[in-house]
Amino acid sequence: KAGVTQTPRYLIKTRGQQVTLSCSPISGHRSVSWYQQTPGQGLQFLFEYFSETQRNKGNFPGRFSGRQFSNSRSEMNVSTLELGDSALYLCASSPTTGMNYGYTFGSGTRLTVV
Amino acid sequence: DAKTTQPTSMDCAEGRAANLPCNHSTISGNEYVYWYRQIHSQGPQYIIHGLKNNETNEMASLIITEDRKSSTLILPHATLRDTAVYYCIVRTNTGNQFYFGTGTSLTVIP
Repeated sequence: KAGVTQTPRYLIKTRGQQVTLSCSPISGHRSVSWYQQTPGQGLQFLFEYFSETQRNKGNFPGRFSGRQFSNSRSEMNVSTLELGDSALYLCASSPTTGMNYGYTFGSGTRLTVV
Repeated sequence: DAKTTQPTSMDCAEGRAANLPCNHSTISGNEYVYWYRQIHSQGPQYIIHGLKNNETNEMASLIITEDRKSSTLILPHATLRDTAVYYCIVRTNTGNQFYFGTGTSLTVIP
């Protein structure tokens, strides 16, 4: 079956702009999480959604937001982009939120802010 | 914060078993140990996870000590394609997210 699909794969934006990234989870998966990966900070948790509700949020400023639709697809938005937002943004999905369920990651969206 | 400690890097000869250690001395009774790997610029790939018992799947084996304070991931016959960063993660029961830490960079040598 199809894996986690993230679009676009690459994106270049200018400081001050806003960006929306999309994630389509594996069919039947209802939990979607987002992570940011940078060389300096590694992989850091952004937020998790389950059944259209944000269940948990990492330590990121309010410029980072997300949502989940009824079909479990998710989007994340970053407003007023800063150079430091340049990163690989990864989406991961899981059937549910239980601790005994692993997450399947997508290939990510590489965002470059210039 | 990551609750695990892993060596920064390791080498392994192709065809030999790769044994990747992980310390998680503060793990709680109902927290799982997960292993993921990441090949450069790709998304992390799930390998295996466990709670108390040793686990095996088609990719690897996970050996968890009886006191659960450490574990070892075993790749039985390493290939060049196993070269990656391997993350040992304790999945906490608060927040549900993965804290990835810095991982172990495994290089499989021909």
